[in-house]
Amino acid sequence: DVKVTQSSRYLVKRTGEKVFLECVQDMDHENMFWYRQDPGLGLRLIYFSYDVKMKEKGDIPEGYSVSREKKERFSLILESASTNQTSMYLCASSNGLATGGYGYTFGSGTRLTVV
Amino acid sequence: LAKTTQPISMDSYEGQEVNITCSHNNIATNDYITWYQQFPSQGPRFIIQGYKTKVTNEVASLFIPADRKSSTLSLPRVSLSDTAVYYCLVGDMGSSASKIIFGSGTRLSIRP
Repeated sequence: DVKVTQSSRYLVKRTGEKVFLECVQDMDHENMFWYRQDPGLGLRLIYFSYDVKMKEKGDIPEGYSVSREKKERFSLILESASTNQTSMYLCASSNGLATGGYGYTFGSGTRLTVV
Repeated sequence: LAKTTQPISMDSYEGQEVNITCSHNNIATNDYITWYQQFPSQGPRFIIQGYKTKVTNEVASLFIPADRKSSTLSLPRVSLSDTAVYYCLVGDMGSSASKIIFGSGTRLSIRP
């Protein structure tokens, strides 16, 4: 069964810490995405990547960066965690031929709490 | 980018057909319409995608009128396990500058 695996299910970090959220997919997908999900706001796109070493900003990139050194791995970095970054973080991947949101595969999410 | 509007919540009963409508007045020519389902503590799961008219798979049907300014996800004979949040997306992955936008979704509650 194809998978998107997020390294942690729950994470608690302190304000000001540098936080790494890791995502690995085993489907050889070109595209990878990071979203955050907050009650009443749905899913909001933070960053996405169409290829290794390529990245593009989503709707809410402030306070975040990403790294994609290998095709299967897409990391989200919180440079200096703040309490307003407490959220559910979802990683997704899709085939390069996917059109209009077809066939995204999501991970189970990382619930990050910044205290 | 086309924005979508869906009802915040809907209620229905087991065995009923449920129709969830999504408005996307600014849909572009190259945009597709895609629906996802999300259960608590899980990531969203792809349900169906269409461009125009009607699409049907083993899970649902998607109805898209000729002007494509709205779409309707139809779930036949729902069960308790269909209780979830349903997201309507509009977008085109053909350009590197494109982004798929998830709205707030529709929270569907199915009762016995």
